[in-house]
Amino acid sequence: AQSVTQLGSHVSVSEGALVLLRCNYSSSVPPYLFWYVQYPNQGLQLLLKYTSAATLVKGINGFEAEFKKSETSFHLTKPSAHMSDAAEYFCAVSLIQGAQKLVFGQGTRLTINP
Amino acid sequence: DTAVSQTPKYLVTQMGNDKSIKCEQNLGHDTMYWYKQDSKKFLKIMFSYNNKELIINETVPNRFSPKSPDKAHLNLHINSLELGDSAVYFCASSQGLAGGPVETQYFGPGTRLLVL
Repeated sequence: AQSVTQLGSHVSVSEGALVLLRCNYSSSVPPYLFWYVQYPNQGLQLLLKYTSAATLVKGINGFEAEFKKSETSFHLTKPSAHMSDAAEYFCAVSLIQGAQKLVFGQGTRLTINP
Repeated sequence: DTAVSQTPKYLVTQMGNDKSIKCEQNLGHDTMYWYKQDSKKFLKIMFSYNNKELIINETVPNRFSPKSPDKAHLNLHINSLELGDSAVYFCASSQGLAGGPVETQYFGPGTRLLVL
């Protein structure tokens, strides 16, 4: 079964520092991977997605992620954190079971320190 | 314009009651979903509808019954509410099956259900 694991339920970085949120996947077929962000008391918003077109994927708000098959990883990075990046981040793998089904990781809460 | 909207935003009710949550999308999408997010923020799909037809029905108690009167609406009715039903319920929509596994799902703001 396809799944994703997010390492670290809580990550804290200083404003201006590098953000690194980890996601590893388990899949017997080429996976389609997503990163979503959830700001407090809001729904989820797509940051970026891997569709096999390119291993380095650029998303919104300066985020990017690199698909590494050898490491079964799809880590999310941003060079310089802003206070507005504080949110919950979810990695997900997509599969088709009659319809698209997103299987989410446990989520990582990102805190930005001033 | 809100793309995916849900009502109500908050719902506080007693155990044993029956309640409904409504979802509407104005994106012209063919597929809609219900997700449950528990107190630990874990998100799990419950149902998916495509053009009013039930496609995905995860292992959900049959007290939960989705209804899609048209492809822009997907409502969730919950009978005999239990304490464990307390969660945030998200509606989402996507273009449809033609996009395959790389479709983007657009989420509503969520309905926070508290069962006392």
